[in-house]
Amino acid sequence: IAGITQAPTSQILAAGRRMTLRCTQDMRHNAMYWYRQDLGLGLRLIHYSNTAGTTGKGEVPDGYSVSRANTDDFPLTLASAVPSQTSVYFCASSTTGVGTEAFFGQGTRLTVV
Amino acid sequence: AQSVAQPEDQVNVAEGNPLTVKCTYSVSGNPYLFWYVQYPNRGLQFLLKYITGDNLVKGSYGFEAEFNKSQTSFHLKKPSALVSDSALYFCAVRDGAGGSYIPTFGRGTSLIVHP
Repeated sequence: IAGITQAPTSQILAAGRRMTLRCTQDMRHNAMYWYRQDLGLGLRLIHYSNTAGTTGKGEVPDGYSVSRANTDDFPLTLASAVPSQTSVYFCASSTTGVGTEAFFGQGTRLTVV
Repeated sequence: AQSVAQPEDQVNVAEGNPLTVKCTYSVSGNPYLFWYVQYPNRGLQFLLKYITGDNLVKGSYGFEAEFNKSQTSFHLKKPSALVSDSALYFCAVRDGAGGSYIPTFGRGTSLIVHP
């Protein structure tokens, strides 16, 4: 089934540790995004990529990095996790047309202790 | 810059009654508007969108939304609510003039449908 796959589904991480959240899509979408969802704050954009080889910063990029080596994969890395990065992380993809909807993965629930 | 506001954190409605979830937006150019639904422990799912044309847009699961340019609103509606409609609803916007394909989301509205 076409779509977006995120891994892991959930993770408990010690503060200071490095963690990579994986995201893979098979729809050949050019654009990919990482959002974090926090209660009362909705979805906030962390980083995005409009095509393989390019990335950009969103609203809350500090403490996170991304790479886009190919069309399908868009991993999100926390270099040194802090408790404030406890959140649910969603990867999404779309075409770059403004009239097209985004497709979301099932999310990664990350707890930093 | 583009933005979207969902003024209600929570909407409560009795099953069988009509429901409305509100959304207002701000863009520089033509708005491209979307509604998504999120069930517990799931990702967001696309419901419907307004691109151009008729102001009343119909989508999945019997939902519809009304685009009102003068009020810069895009309210989600359903004539008869079901308990299974209980979920978190997000409005999103893309600004055609800015050329930004990146969607901006509202904070979400929790819809609770009571039996």
